[in-house]
Amino acid sequence: GAVVSQHPSWVICKSGTSVKIECRSLDFQATTMFWYRQFPKQSLMLMATSNEGSKATYEQGVEKDKFLINHASLTLSTLTVTSAHPEDSSFYICSARDGEGAPGGELFFGEGSRLTVL
Amino acid sequence: QQPVQSPQAVILREGEDAVINCSSSKALYSVHWYRQKHGEAPVFLMILLKGGEQKGHEKISASFNEKKQQSSLYLTASQLSYSGTYFCGTGTSGNTPLVFGKGTRLSVIA
Repeated sequence: GAVVSQHPSWVICKSGTSVKIECRSLDFQATTMFWYRQFPKQSLMLMATSNEGSKATYEQGVEKDKFLINHASLTLSTLTVTSAHPEDSSFYICSARDGEGAPGGELFFGEGSRLTVL
Repeated sequence: QQPVQSPQAVILREGEDAVINCSSSKALYSVHWYRQKHGEAPVFLMILLKGGEQKGHEKISASFNEKKQQSSLYLTASQLSYSGTYFCGTGTSGNTPLVFGKGTRLSVIA
């Protein structure tokens, strides 16, 4: 099946710094990628939809200036957590559908990135 | 709108069966089922797209009711490896992101 790769797998940073997380579709092109956040023992909450070549669409309550999303190519989307604070500590997961697949098809997830802000 | 999953948690002994339900107040385009182990990304189990559909294999299968508002995941003769949190993700069209339920924590004990 299709592969989505995420990097880094985990990162620890100091409060106030910025962290960039990369999400790559390795064997398919993804015009759209989705970023989710998951707090411990909770569900996956959609943060934003990343659109190749255009601005991301953010869910209500997600600060677009804090969570910068860039989808510069058909295989790469990045999420930058700016001026991170301890409450931003979470598991961030990206996902994508194979653009050649049927609508509503399987959502392929990256491995996830665990962010800890000290 | 977040789908409602039930039960929240279940404990099984090896070999026992379980049913996890996922329901929505509106008709859905699709239902996806995933299993997540602690600290790992979700792993895809199956998709249901058609009302009345049933799919899967002997041990893990799922159904989608005719109105496309309710899906159930069936785990038969559970194994220790089935332990994890099961999420249903629902889509309202072919290109929209999935909205996930709160999850059902399944623990299989020997």
